[in-house]
Amino acid sequence: GDSVTQMEGPVTLSEEAFLTINCTYTATGYPSPFWYVQYPGEGLQLLLKATKADDKGSNKGFEATYRKETTSFHLEKGSVQVSDSAVYFCALGHTGGFKTIFGAGTRLFVKA
Amino acid sequence: DAGITQSPRHKVTETGTPVTLRCHQTENHRYMYWYRQDPGHGLRLIHYSYGVKDTDKGEVSDGYSVSRSKTEDFLLTLESATSSQTSVYFCAISGVGGQGPQGPQHFGDGTRLSIL
Repeated sequence: GDSVTQMEGPVTLSEEAFLTINCTYTATGYPSPFWYVQYPGEGLQLLLKATKADDKGSNKGFEATYRKETTSFHLEKGSVQVSDSAVYFCALGHTGGFKTIFGAGTRLFVKA
Repeated sequence: DAGITQSPRHKVTETGTPVTLRCHQTENHRYMYWYRQDPGHGLRLIHYSYGVKDTDKGEVSDGYSVSRSKTEDFLLTLESATSSQTSVYFCAISGVGGQGPQGPQHFGDGTRLSIL
């Protein structure tokens, strides 16, 4: 079945450092990749998405490019802030299915 | 804002008691989901619904039942709560903006349930 693998955390960075969180997947058909973010005490929020191969999703300085040839959707940000400290989930929706597959989540700590 | 309200937000109860969690949405989206989130296990799907009275099991459905008698409400019931069901429970919806179930999901703020 479909699966999502993302890098384990926690990831600890200093403010203004570059962030990469890797996400790869296995899926048949035409999956739709997403990144969600969860702040303490809250539910998951959609951070960004892509709808077709080579699409780049972006939001709040975060970017991810849907690479079908490498089945990847890595999350990047050029300069992280303390307020970016959260848990990040890579996820995959799938045409013809009702379910979204979530990765295990990566906790990010950003130090001032 | 997809207008999702979960109630209660916090609950403490005893082993063996029945518990019902409610998810209410204000915008008549078709697809609704219940997840549990536990340290080391990420987000796990309990049950989902694809319409009124149409529900199906997720990966961790044992010990849980659901009902959806109206589009806006999706109820999760623990018939006889056990300590292993202590968790944070999230409701989600999809189908916003006419997208199918494979579109992005929108989450409630969660219910923290402790079973002693």
